[in-house]
Amino acid sequence: GAVVSQHPSRVICKSGTSVKIECRSLDFQATTMFWYRQFPKQSLMLMATSNEGSKATYEQGVEKDKFLINHASLTLSTLTVTSAHPEDSSFYICSVPTGLASTQTQYFGPGTRLLVL
Amino acid sequence: DQQVKQNSPSLSVQEGRISILNCDYTNSMFDYFLWYKKYPAEGPTFLISISSIKDKNEDGRFTVFLNKSAKHLSLHIVPSQPGDSAVYFCAASSGNTGKLIFGQGTTLQVKP
Repeated sequence: GAVVSQHPSRVICKSGTSVKIECRSLDFQATTMFWYRQFPKQSLMLMATSNEGSKATYEQGVEKDKFLINHASLTLSTLTVTSAHPEDSSFYICSVPTGLASTQTQYFGPGTRLLVL
Repeated sequence: DQQVKQNSPSLSVQEGRISILNCDYTNSMFDYFLWYKKYPAEGPTFLISISSIKDKNEDGRFTVFLNKSAKHLSLHIVPSQPGDSAVYFCAASSGNTGKLIFGQGTTLQVKP
């Protein structure tokens, strides 16, 4: 499977600031990466699909202007939380899919804990 | 609308016994199912998967069963070990989107 890293692992910021989270595929070239969010004691919710060289596709209810995604290369996708508010505090996780499209397995990064004060 | 449901929030079993984690789904278009294990403040770790053309897949101590008519799958862990204690998520996808829909998770505690 793919080895995925995220940076930073934890970030605390003030309300109104922007935070950038990096997701790197260390051993696999990924044309697609996925971004998820998990609130405490809840499930993982898909936020968006990051596409290398093109615009990300967002799930219903996810504001594209608030959660900016840039997939600059086959190994790097970034998620920027703009004008962060306390309700954006969550655990953000990226994943890299491998295998055939119909039987893809997603390998996840270690996650980034965001706390907005 | 919760398309993938794990109705048991928690499960406790004795070391050496079998752990059975259940998952139900509502979308008949799902054709690929996965189980992940997750520790707090970490990303999910892939365990095992099954395609809808199969009804069973086994990998070491882990076996996943799929009952398409009942829209139900289960993960069996035998023998259970204390290190298996974690939150287990089932996930499903359909077609070629690759998008995963996750259940709510079941917290497994394996007691020594």
